[in-house]
Amino acid sequence: DIQMTQSPSSLSASVGDTVTITCRASQGIRNYLAWYQQKPGKVPKLLIYGASTLKSGVPSRFSGSGSGTDFTLTIRSLQPEDVATYYCHKYDSAPPTFGQGTKVEIK
Amino acid sequence: EVQLLDSGGDLVQPGGSLRLSCAASGFTFSAYDINWVRQAPGKGLEWVSGISGSGGDTYYADSVKGRFTISRDNSKKTLYLQMNSLRAEDTAVYFCARVATVTPNYYFYYMDVWGTGTTVTVSS
Repeated sequence: DIQMTQSPSSLSASVGDTVTITCRASQGIRNYLAWYQQKPGKVPKLLIYGASTLKSGVPSRFSGSGSGTDFTLTIRSLQPEDVATYYCHKYDSAPPTFGQGTKVEIK
Repeated sequence: EVQLLDSGGDLVQPGGSLRLSCAASGFTFSAYDINWVRQAPGKGLEWVSGISGSGGDTYYADSVKGRFTISRDNSKKTLYLQMNSLRAEDTAVYFCARVATVTPNYYFYYMDVWGTGTTVTVSS
C-alpha cells in the first residue's frame, strides 16, 4: 500500500504569516490528492481536491500544488480561524490513505 | 441541504457488539459510495470500510476485516456498521463520509460530505 507522510507534524505561526504543509507519497499518485481541515472538536471538511482545486466556498488564502509524489498545502495570511489539523488523502487507488496530520497553531 | 447524521455510539465491553447508523438527507443516497472513517482519541483519520451505492460491493481495512460488516438500506437512506468482537483499539469517533463521485466502486475517492460523528468506547 502507498504510504502518505506529512510534515511537519505541528507548527506555530503568527497571524498574517504564510504556512506550508508538505505531503509525500511513497509512490506516484498523479494529482489524486485531497486536503481536509479539522478544527478542534469538529468534523473534517474538504478543502482541496485534485491536488490544487479549491472546493467552492473555501477562502482563496488556501492553495494546493504538486503532482506525483510531492504535494503542498499553503495558507497565505494565516487567520485565527485557521487553527486546525490538516490531513492529506491520496485517492488514486484503494485503499484510501490519509497522512498523519499537521496541527497548525497561532503563536 | 446535504447532511449525514451519525448515531449508535456507546460504551461497550471488550468482545461486545454495537451497530452504528448514518442517516442521509438532501441527496440521492443510492447513487453514492459511502465510507466509515474513524479517529482514535488524539490520533489521525483511519479509513475503516466502504460500500458501493447499490450495496452490492463492500470493502474493509485489514484491522476490522471479519469483525465489522457494512451495509445500507437505500429505501431508508441509511448506512450501517455492525461491529462485533470489539477491542480497546476500536475506541474512536466514527464518521460516515460520502464519496465525491457517482462512479461505482470508487470508495477510495475523496470525500465531500462528512457525518457528525459518533463515539465508540470499548472498555471494561
